[in-house]
Amino acid sequence: DTGVSQNPRHKITKRGQNVTFRCDPISEHNRLYWYRQTLGQGPEFLTYFQNEAQLEKSRLLSDRFSAERPKGSFSTLEIQRTEQGDSAMYLCASSSNEGATDTQYFGPGTRLTVL
Amino acid sequence: AQKVTQAQTEISVVEKEDVTLDCVYETRDTTYYLFWYKQPPSGELVFLIRRNSFDEQNEISGRYSWNFQKSTSSFNFTITASQVVDSAVYFCALSAPTTSGTYKYIFGTGTRLKVLA
Repeated sequence: DTGVSQNPRHKITKRGQNVTFRCDPISEHNRLYWYRQTLGQGPEFLTYFQNEAQLEKSRLLSDRFSAERPKGSFSTLEIQRTEQGDSAMYLCASSSNEGATDTQYFGPGTRLTVL
Repeated sequence: AQKVTQAQTEISVVEKEDVTLDCVYETRDTTYYLFWYKQPPSGELVFLIRRNSFDEQNEISGRYSWNFQKSTSSFNFTITASQVVDSAVYFCALSAPTTSGTYKYIFGTGTRLKVLA
């Protein structure tokens, strides 16, 4: 059973460029989450998918951010016109809503540096 | 509003010492879950434990133990006989229900544990 995978692991970009990250959840998990973690802080929730439907978006997710999960499997997070304040670790997590528990399992993250 | 406080920013111990990481939470929900995650230098958050609000039994797993006290809204984590491999940032998290029926996690700011040989 493979865990959550994310690509790329690191991304360096210049301000104003667009970037896209990919997350592959644990295969049987139908719930997928994106979080952002800045230095010295805990992860902060960005958005949530159940299957292909995006059901929850944080106010942290500005108009420059868009996330998709087209076939209910992998997900992409795109940031348009990146700003230096977007520099952070972007974490993906997945979970299964089988039963009453909902433990989220995290991927290794994509570290974004905006120059 | 939900909140998790990890007041200890950084702790250093010598190998084989016991260490306790504190976590205090705030929530108005009657049903909630608490979690501990470990984040080693590689960056991946590793799940350690989940506890639901109706289960106040303490839990022990090897060198790890957790003390959950609803009366003080605390969920503390103790590592016994610490090892260098325990060096990491440890996060406490609280589940918060969303309007769409799932739970998002509210994380504390983490405690960096350094175990010195």
